[in-house]
Amino acid sequence: AQSVTQPDIHITVSEGASLELRCNYSYGATPYLFWYVQSPGQGLQLLLKYFSGDTLVQGIKGFEAEFKRSQSSFNLRKPSVHWSDAAEYFCAVGGYGSSDKLIFGTGTRLQVFP
Amino acid sequence: KAGVTQTPRYLIKTRGQQVTLSCSPISGHRSVSWYQQTPGQGLQFLFEYFSETQRNKGNFPGRFSGRQFSNSRSEMNVSTLELGDSALYLCASSLFFRASEADTQYFGPGTRLTVL
Repeated sequence: AQSVTQPDIHITVSEGASLELRCNYSYGATPYLFWYVQSPGQGLQLLLKYFSGDTLVQGIKGFEAEFKRSQSSFNLRKPSVHWSDAAEYFCAVGGYGSSDKLIFGTGTRLQVFP
Repeated sequence: KAGVTQTPRYLIKTRGQQVTLSCSPISGHRSVSWYQQTPGQGLQFLFEYFSETQRNKGNFPGRFSGRQFSNSRSEMNVSTLELGDSALYLCASSLFFRASEADTQYFGPGTRLTVL
């Protein structure tokens, strides 16, 4: 069965520190992978996505993610976190067959201390 | 270009009632998907529509239904509400029903449903 695991429920970092959010997936075919961010009371905003090609993907707000097929991972990184990055982050897998359906991980809540 | 809009933003209902939520996709988008977000279950796929046809359905009881109109606007209906239906219901739109590198799902702000 297709699934996404985000092992870290809650992460706290200091402003200016680097960040890595983990995501592992289980999928029967070549996955399409996504990272979304959700601020309180808001919908989901797409940070970046991977479909094919270069395994290092650049996104908005200075985020990047690396697809590692051998580890079934798609970790999100940012070299220097800003206080405005505090939010909940969701990894998702999708694109199986003819469908837009996304399977989401349980999310990682990021807290940023000044 | 206006984003995905959802109405109403907040809704309070009592058990046994029914509710209808509305989603207007981004102009030109023909695919609409619905998700339920709860603290316990996270984000779960409800259904997706394209050109007024339901193309995919998640694992939810028949009390949950939806439809899409010719202008791509979509509604979802929940009948005989239960306490466990309290959730944030998110709608997402995209150009086409098949995920592609050139296409992206854009999410609305959601409708917060509280069942008392």
